[in-house]
Amino acid sequence: SFELTQPPSVSVSPGQTASITCSGDKLGDRYACWYQQRPGQSPVLVIYQDSERPSGIPERFSGSNSGNTATLTISGTQAMDEADYYCQAWDSSTYVVFGGGTKLTVL
Amino acid sequence: EVQLVQSGAEVKKAGESLKISCKGSGYSFTSYWIGWVRQMPGKGLEWMGLIYSRDSDTRYSPSFQGQVTISVDKSISTAYLHWSSLKASDTAMYYCARRGTTSYYFDYWGQGTLVTVSS
Repeated sequence: SFELTQPPSVSVSPGQTASITCSGDKLGDRYACWYQQRPGQSPVLVIYQDSERPSGIPERFSGSNSGNTATLTISGTQAMDEADYYCQAWDSSTYVVFGGGTKLTVL
Repeated sequence: EVQLVQSGAEVKKAGESLKISCKGSGYSFTSYWIGWVRQMPGKGLEWMGLIYSRDSDTRYSPSFQGQVTISVDKSISTAYLHWSSLKASDTAMYYCARRGTTSYYFDYWGQGTLVTVSS
């Protein structure tokens, strides 16, 4: 079955660039999206269709997807970006697949 | 403004039935699919299923097929998630979310419904 793998945790200093990866077999052949979930809150879509930002999402959030890896990049990371991040893609047999999530720590 | 408003927290006993709801507003409800997502305590997101609000076409994750039933009442713009016999392992937060128009992503999410099942 199709699976998405994320690192459990990523750390970044304020103002630096954070990169969170999501790996899956030929992931680049399908669209990937990313969600941010702050503690106690519902997930929020931050990137869809590999690199599109929904209205209201800051420009410091960007995405790419090629080969077997999709990447969420946060430029000029702020303390408010500390959250769990989940990638998600579509699979023909199971339709929706989530990655296991990555805890981003800003320190 | 697009909103998905879910029903309130539930405390149930194992073996009981339960139906939770998700009411959409601020958009054309019947033009979109609604998905349900489980998040167990301290864990990640798990997709459960999708329903097309116009004709009730439903898709389930293999992990949840036969365990829950997803339905919709388009006359009141509301989607439902139903259990016929709860287990303690169903204790989790459940989110509904609207699927985007161009691909399989969820662009708006409900506030979540916490379901607690005691054994």
